[in-house]
Amino acid sequence: DQQVKQNSPSLSVQEGRISILNCDYTNSMFDYFLWYKKYPAEGPTFLISISSIKDKNEDGRFTVFLNKSAKHLSLHIVPSQPGDSAVYFCAASRLQYGNKLVFGAGTILRVKS
Amino acid sequence: EPEVTQTPSHQVTQMGQEVILRCVPISNHLYFYWYRQILGQKVEFLVSFYNNEISEKSEIFDDQFSVERPDGSNFTLKIRSTKLEDSAMYFCASRTGLGFNEQFFGPGTRLTVL
Repeated sequence: DQQVKQNSPSLSVQEGRISILNCDYTNSMFDYFLWYKKYPAEGPTFLISISSIKDKNEDGRFTVFLNKSAKHLSLHIVPSQPGDSAVYFCAASRLQYGNKLVFGAGTILRVKS
Repeated sequence: EPEVTQTPSHQVTQMGQEVILRCVPISNHLYFYWYRQILGQKVEFLVSFYNNEISEKSEIFDDQFSVERPDGSNFTLKIRSTKLEDSAMYFCASRTGLGFNEQFFGPGTRLTVL
């Protein structure tokens, strides 16, 4: 199932700089997108979401951008902190009754101090 | 802050045995989910549950799997006859259902089938 792709397995960023994590999807029926953060041996933690009627959503240091025509979304973290080091998952869904999340493979973010 | 809890954190079982994984979703949530992540693979959807019935299930969720909400707080996943390939992290999630799809995940149960 390749409906959601995160093509960068890992990303290394210096503390204080911007982290940009990317995600592509193929199913045009997806209309709600989410980013999750995951530490080893823990469950995914919800970070931020965006509906397909928007192209940007911001929450503190986290901003998600959606480009529907390109079927692409990105998560920007500014400024990056060492505590942001984790695996980041992009997930897509259809905003209707009981719908499932389809996850990407994840990107390992390492923020160096 | 309310959170989803799961027990046990780690379950070791012999192939062919039945296991029950337990979850307590966030109390005012209406939709419940099970996902799993096999080591090195993506998190994948198993089943969603609403109003005391399954609303969607994946092809993984065959007759060996079942879910139940036996009371007002617990949500369980049963695997009747475990296989080696069932070894994975199993995550429970829940959401309010108020128009958005933010699902909140528990810490997971690591299932090891020997």
